Amino acid sequence: EDKVVQSPLSLVVHEGDTVTLNCSYEVTNFRSLLWYKQEKKAPTFLFMLTSSGIEKKSGRLSSILDKKELFSILNITATQTGDSAVYLCVSGGGADGLTFGKGTHLIIQP
Amino acid sequence: NAGVTQTPKFQVLKTGQSMTLQCAQDMNHNSMYWYRQDPGMGLRLIYYSASEGTTDKGEVPNGYNVSRLNKREFSLRLESAAPSQTSVYFCASSIYLWTGNNQPQHFGDGTRLSIL
Repeated sequence: EDKVVQSPLSLVVHEGDTVTLNCSYEVTNFRSLLWYKQEKKAPTFLFMLTSSGIEKKSGRLSSILDKKELFSILNITATQTGDSAVYLCVSGGGADGLTFGKGTHLIIQP
Repeated sequence: NAGVTQTPKFQVLKTGQSMTLQCAQDMNHNSMYWYRQDPGMGLRLIYYSASEGTTDKGEVPNGYNVSRLNKREFSLRLESAAPSQTSVYFCASSIYLWTGNNQPQHFGDGTRLSIL
């Protein structure tokens, strides 16, 4: 059975801190790994990773994939209160579709 | 710039009632999906439509039916609502099935459904 495990499940840090969110996966016919940010409503797309070792960046957020060790990390530097959200890790396989992790609930305290 | 639009945003039903959740996308995507999200669990796929005219069951299809009305619209119907169907329902769409051509799924804002 395909599975995606995120850690930690919840995290509280202070504004300005750097955080690292973890995602490990076991997926048949792995094709891609995605990160989404979910605030009150729709999950919004952050990154899609398909190749090992290539970092993707968007402002203060970055992510990298290790296909040998089957994990990905999402880094957020200089955190702001607006980064408070649930971050979802999703693995895209073949015909079985997508497998979602349970999410990491990140709270940034002022 | 609407993306994926879901209606209604909130709904309360009594056990046994029926209702249809509506979803429309304006991105000319081929594939559409319905998920449910419950506390402590990841999003689970209910049904999906790879392209106009096709629908398939996902992980948790029991108690639901879907209709792909046209390329833009994909509805989810609860024929006889049960308390176990209390959840937040998300519709999503993508240009190709799953993450084909390395394109992600885009989500609507969700429908919060309570069954009493």
